[in-house]
Amino acid sequence: KAGVTQTPRYLIKTRGQQVTLSCSPISGHRSVSWYQQTPGQGLQFLFEYFSETQRNKGNFPGRFSGRQFSNSRSEMNVSTLELGDSALYLCASSPPQTGTTTYEQYFGPGTRLTVT
Amino acid sequence: GQQLNQSPQSMFIQEGEDVSMNCTSSSIFNTWLWYKQDPGEGPVLLIALYKAGELTSNGRLTAQFGITRKDSFLNISASIPSDVGIYFCAGPMNRDDKIIFGKGTRLHILP
Repeated sequence: KAGVTQTPRYLIKTRGQQVTLSCSPISGHRSVSWYQQTPGQGLQFLFEYFSETQRNKGNFPGRFSGRQFSNSRSEMNVSTLELGDSALYLCASSPPQTGTTTYEQYFGPGTRLTVT
Repeated sequence: GQQLNQSPQSMFIQEGEDVSMNCTSSSIFNTWLWYKQDPGEGPVLLIALYKAGELTSNGRLTAQFGITRKDSFLNISASIPSDVGIYFCAGPMNRDDKIIFGKGTRLHILP
């Protein structure tokens, strides 16, 4: 079974631009979560999507948005990029929950975004 | 808000040594997850714990869910070079199920 894939792997943008990152979950997984990872703040939760609906949201400004498509693929968008948005953006998918919620997540390799 | 504190922040050990690291919280957790991240990759789930006092192994790795439900421990026995990386603990915040992560323990193995 293929793992979580993220595209692109690397991206360089300038301040003020916007960016769209893509994530394809493991086949059969319907939940997709996004995280921002920086050396200073570590892994921080951005949002979670399930069946095309945002189920949970972290404490990030409205410049960060996401969506999920009917095939469970997800995109996140960051508008008006700032230098502080430079980070590794990770996507994780979760298997269907049968009975007890397990919270297990399987991560992709991430997209390294550099804002100059 | 809820935070997970991992210690130590980094460790330098000799190959073959055993490793212990822990994760603590001021709040009770019902699930503890341990991940490892290699350079340039996303975290990989190592062990998931769901019950206070639970002890679970995955090869040379053993993790325990503390009985107070406010801590968890990860041990690695007979370390090898591929154990190098960052180890994260994580768990869902009770209120809304968001997963929060500790800052990680960076493991270095000396030649």
